[in-house]
Amino acid sequence: KAGVTQTPRYLIKTRGQQVTLSCSPISGHRSVSWYQQTPGQGLQFLFEYFSETQRNKGNFPGRFSGRQFSNSRSEMNVSTLELGDSALYLCASSLGSLGLTQYFGPGTRLTVL
Amino acid sequence: DQQVKQNSPSLSVQEGRISILNCDYTNSMFDYFLWYKKYPAEGPTFLISISSIKDKNEDGRFTVFLNKSAKHLSLHIVPSQPGDSAVYFCAATYSNTGNQFYFGTGTSLTVIP
Repeated sequence: KAGVTQTPRYLIKTRGQQVTLSCSPISGHRSVSWYQQTPGQGLQFLFEYFSETQRNKGNFPGRFSGRQFSNSRSEMNVSTLELGDSALYLCASSLGSLGLTQYFGPGTRLTVL
Repeated sequence: DQQVKQNSPSLSVQEGRISILNCDYTNSMFDYFLWYKKYPAEGPTFLISISSIKDKNEDGRFTVFLNKSAKHLSLHIVPSQPGDSAVYFCAATYSNTGNQFYFGTGTSLTVIP
């Protein structure tokens, strides 16, 4: 089975711009979660989608949004980029039953200049 | 507020010896715990998990111990190998709220040949 894929792998944007990141989960997985990783902060939970519905949301501003399509693929959007949004954005998928193991993609490295 | 904490940013161990990585949590509602390993430029890879109904789980060289009264879990790697050098994250969740995982800040393990 193919793993979780994320595109693009690297992205450079300037302040004020917006960005869309994409995640394709493992085949058969219906839950997709997004995390932000910055040095010293570990992985911070952004949100989780299950069957096209946002099921959980972390403590991030409304500039961070996401959606999930009927094929379980997910996108994350960040509007009005700030320097502090520079981070590794990780997507993880799981079968969808509560509390099951999440499998991560390689991440998208976003740099905001 | 960091609900999952890894207080040791780094750890060095000789090849063949035991590596012990520690993790503390504050939320007594957490009932499922996981350890992930992360190499640079890759997403975290699932290692081992434990449910709160157990106090120990083994998988080959990896054993996770859970002490619920102390809100503490640890990962033991025996024997340690140079390929185990990576950043290790512990994560926790309460399984009735979907896949919202709380991660520690990671411990960088170096296994010296």
